[in-house]
Amino acid sequence: ETGVTQTPRHLVMGMTNKKSLKCEQHLGHNAMYWYKQSAKKPLELMFVYNFKEQTENNSVPSRFSPECPNSSHLFLHLHTLQPEDSALYLCASSQNTGRDFYGYTFGSGTRLTVV
Amino acid sequence: AQSVTQLDSQVPVFEEAPVELRCNYSSSVSVYLFWYVQYPNQGLQLLLKYLSGSTLVKGINGFEAEFNKSQTSFHLRKPSVHISDTAEYFCAVMGPNYGQNFVFGPGTRLSVLP
Repeated sequence: ETGVTQTPRHLVMGMTNKKSLKCEQHLGHNAMYWYKQSAKKPLELMFVYNFKEQTENNSVPSRFSPECPNSSHLFLHLHTLQPEDSALYLCASSQNTGRDFYGYTFGSGTRLTVV
Repeated sequence: AQSVTQLDSQVPVFEEAPVELRCNYSSSVSVYLFWYVQYPNQGLQLLLKYLSGSTLVKGINGFEAEFNKSQTSFHLRKPSVHISDTAEYFCAVMGPNYGQNFVFGPGTRLSVLP
């Protein structure tokens, strides 16, 4: 257990479904991230939240909608996904305080399959 | 902007043999450097990091890495690997300023053979 918990671990959904991925961290970090990891492709940064404010959206399709209600929780709402959206979705957190940075802590990921 | 190259996409090695996984980065400014490991069906776990100070960094599970500024490299080494080291290894770089995000390399798949 890394301190970053993702649920569910596995999710199978149809293209017309709506589902949400949840990420929770109890490390006191002030930044949270969503990454997409597809087979044979580099890690793709999707969204960044610093102090609950979204600071980055890497041209992610609108069928992915993030939500950060507080600094400990991060959601990724999914609707009308495509089969190519099947991937491992990783959440991470970090403590960004000016010059101090000690890396990201990752969750175990949610394996999403779109059918 | 920074970028990271991991030249070897796959590295097969026999158990108890030494291994080196290569990482090169490009950046015009000082950077922080990291190695992460990902076991099957898991997230990424921090192996070690270089922030400043000694260029030889020791991490978990017997791994170490050496920062070479002149060659812009941060190669990962282990003198004797185990079957349990079979995993994907990612090198990552980050600029020194607040708010800059990680740039990950494409990863190297280490397969330890019996």
